[in-house]
Amino acid sequence: SQTIHQWPATLVQPVGSPLSLECTVEGTSNPNLYWYRQAAGRGLQLLFYSVGIGQISSEVPQNLSASRPQDRQFILSSKKLLLSDSGFYLCAWSWTYNEQFFGPGTRLTVL
Amino acid sequence: TQLLEQSPQFLSIQEGENLTVYCNSSSVFSSLQWYRQEPGEGPVLLVTVVTGGEVKKLKRLTFQFGDARKDSSLHITAAQPGDTGLYLCAGDQGGSEKLVFGKGTKLTVNP
Repeated sequence: SQTIHQWPATLVQPVGSPLSLECTVEGTSNPNLYWYRQAAGRGLQLLFYSVGIGQISSEVPQNLSASRPQDRQFILSSKKLLLSDSGFYLCAWSWTYNEQFFGPGTRLTVL
Repeated sequence: TQLLEQSPQFLSIQEGENLTVYCNSSSVFSSLQWYRQEPGEGPVLLVTVVTGGEVKKLKRLTFQFGDARKDSSLHITAAQPGDTGLYLCAGDQGGSEKLVFGKGTKLTVNP
C-alpha cells in the first residue's frame, strides 16, 4: 500500500528565515506530486505540481519554490519567509490526476 | 471567480438529522471527487463520480453527480458526531494535471 509522509508536523519560524518542507511517498513509482496551502481550515490553494523528476509547474507567483530531486520526494522551500506564508501546507500524490491522496500536513507559523 | 461553489459554507445539526451539501459550477467536469478533512489532518478521499447522473453510496453517505456533470451533492442520513469535518469537492476538467477545489462545507454534528 502507498504511504505519504510530511515533515515537520509543525514549524514556527521568524520572518526572513529560510524554509524547507519535505514530502515523501512510499509504495508507488512515478506519482504526480502536489503542494497545497490551506488558510483558516478552508479551501486548498495549489502551489506547485510535478509530473516527474525535475519537472515543476508553479501555480502562484510568490517567494516559494519547489523541487523534486527524486521520484518520490517533493520539497517546498523559501529563502526568506513572509508573515503571509503562515498556513497549513499539504502534500498530495496521485496516479490519475483526479484522485489525490494527501499527507498529514505541516502547520507553519511565521512570526 | 470560484470555479466550484460549495453550499452551505457552515452547517450545524443535531445527531440523527439528515443533511445535503452541494457543489455547483457553470463548467463541465470529467469527474468530481469528495473529500473529508478533520482539523489538523489532510483531506481523505471519499468518492469519485465520473458519469452524469451517477449515484454512489458509502454507508450513510450518498453522492450524486449531475446529469450535465456540472454539479454534485452529498447527502448524509442520520448524521453522527463522527461525520463532523470539512467536506471538500474537487473537479477534474480533463486534459489537466490539476484538480479544482471548492472552499468546502464545514459540518458540525452535535451529540
